[in-house]
Amino acid sequence: AQSVTQLDSHVSVSEGTPVLLRCNYSSSYSPSLFWYVQHPNKGLQLLLKYTSAATLVKGINGFEAEFKKSETSFHLTKPSAHMSDAAEYFCVVSDPAYAGNNRKLIWGLGTSLAVNP
Amino acid sequence: KAGVTQTPRYLIKTRGQQVTLSCSPISGHRSVSWYQQTPGQGLQFLFEYFSETQRNKGNFPGRFSGRQFSNSRSEMNVSTLELGDSALYLCASSLRTDSTDTQYFGPGTRLTVL
Repeated sequence: AQSVTQLDSHVSVSEGTPVLLRCNYSSSYSPSLFWYVQHPNKGLQLLLKYTSAATLVKGINGFEAEFKKSETSFHLTKPSAHMSDAAEYFCVVSDPAYAGNNRKLIWGLGTSLAVNP
Repeated sequence: KAGVTQTPRYLIKTRGQQVTLSCSPISGHRSVSWYQQTPGQGLQFLFEYFSETQRNKGNFPGRFSGRQFSNSRSEMNVSTLELGDSALYLCASSLRTDSTDTQYFGPGTRLTVL
């Protein structure tokens, strides 16, 4: 069965320091993986996605993630945190091969990122 | 292009009532998915519609139902509301339903059940 584990429920960094949000997954197939961000009182926005092309994926706002099949990980990183990065981040795995090729999305519980001045 | 819109944005109901939420997808998108978001449970998938047909369903009771119209707009209905139904209900639209496709989310409807 598929699953997604976001290893930290809360991460706190200082402005200008690196960000690392960790995500491990399990999947029986070749999954697609996504990171979404949710700012307070705003909708979910796609940061980046991996769909079996390059293993290092660059997203918006300077974020990137690396797909590591051997470690079943898809950690999100950013070299230098900005105050505006404070938000909730969700890792999502999408498996193919369900009836009629309909996707099944599994969402992590989220990591709350705080950025201190 | 206009984004995904959801109406109403906020709703207050009492136990036992029923509620209907509406979602208008991005123009050209034929898939609409619904999620329930609560602090304790995170995002829980409700169901997905594509071309007016329910393609996928999560593990929610039959009180939760949905439909999609020919213009791809979707509604979800919750009957006999319970306190535990208080949540942010999110709608997402996409072009297709395969695993590589990106979903675009609306701002959500905040439902409070008293």
